[in-house]
Amino acid sequence: EDKVVQSPLSLVVHEGDTVTLNCSYEVTNFRSLLWYKQEKKAPTFLFMLTSSGIEKKSGRLSSILDKKELFSILNITATQTGDSAVYLCAVGERNSGNTPLVFGKGTRLSVIA
Amino acid sequence: GAVVSQHPSWVICKSGTSVKIECRSLDFQATTMFWYRQFPKQSLMLMATSNEGSKATYEQGVEKDKFLINHASLTLSTLTVTSAHPEDSSFYICSARGQGVSNQPQHFGDGTRLSIL
Repeated sequence: EDKVVQSPLSLVVHEGDTVTLNCSYEVTNFRSLLWYKQEKKAPTFLFMLTSSGIEKKSGRLSSILDKKELFSILNITATQTGDSAVYLCAVGERNSGNTPLVFGKGTRLSVIA
Repeated sequence: GAVVSQHPSWVICKSGTSVKIECRSLDFQATTMFWYRQFPKQSLMLMATSNEGSKATYEQGVEKDKFLINHASLTLSTLTVTSAHPEDSSFYICSARGQGVSNQPQHFGDGTRLSIL
C-alpha cells in the first residue's frame, strides 16, 4: 500500500508556464516531508517541511505543507527547460534516528522551449 | 557543495566480478546511511540501512550475502556487490543524514552507475 502518492506522474508544459506538483501521504508518526529534484544523477535536496501553512521558497520554486489534509504541493513559476526533471516527494517518520524516508514514485516534468 | 560523496560514479566490469562502492559524508558524521537502487524511469528502491558499528538492516528481497554493507566509521559506508551479474546492472545511490541534530534532511551522493557485461 502506497504511503506517499504523487500526482501527476508526468507532465509536459511550455516554458513560462506555472506548474503545481502534488504529494499526499499517509504515515503513522509524521516527522517531515521533503522534496527532491532528480535529473541524470542522484536526487538533490529542495525543501524540507515540518509545519503546516509555512511556505518555503527558493527562487521560482515554493512549497507548502498541510498536515491536516496530509498533502504538500510544489510550485514552479515561469518554468524553464532546466526545470525538466523528476521531482520526488519523501516523508520521514518519527520513529528513530535511522528510519529511512518513504518516497513517492515521482513526477516527471518536461518543459518544452 | 556536495555533502555526500560517492565513488566510483561509473563502473563497467565482467560478470563474476565483485564491485565496491564507497559513500562518504563530507561535512558531518552519519551514524546511519541508506543504500538505494534505481532502475531506468523508476523510483528509488531502498535496499538497506547501514548502521555504524553494527549490522545493516536489509529490506525484504535484498540478499545480504550478495550486497555486503560495511559501515566502519561515522563518515564511510561501503556497498560491495559480490559476484555481479548482468541483472545487477543498475544505478546505486547512497544517502546520509547528520547525527546529533534533529530533523536534518537526507543528502544523496551522486550515484554509481554499474554495468555488468
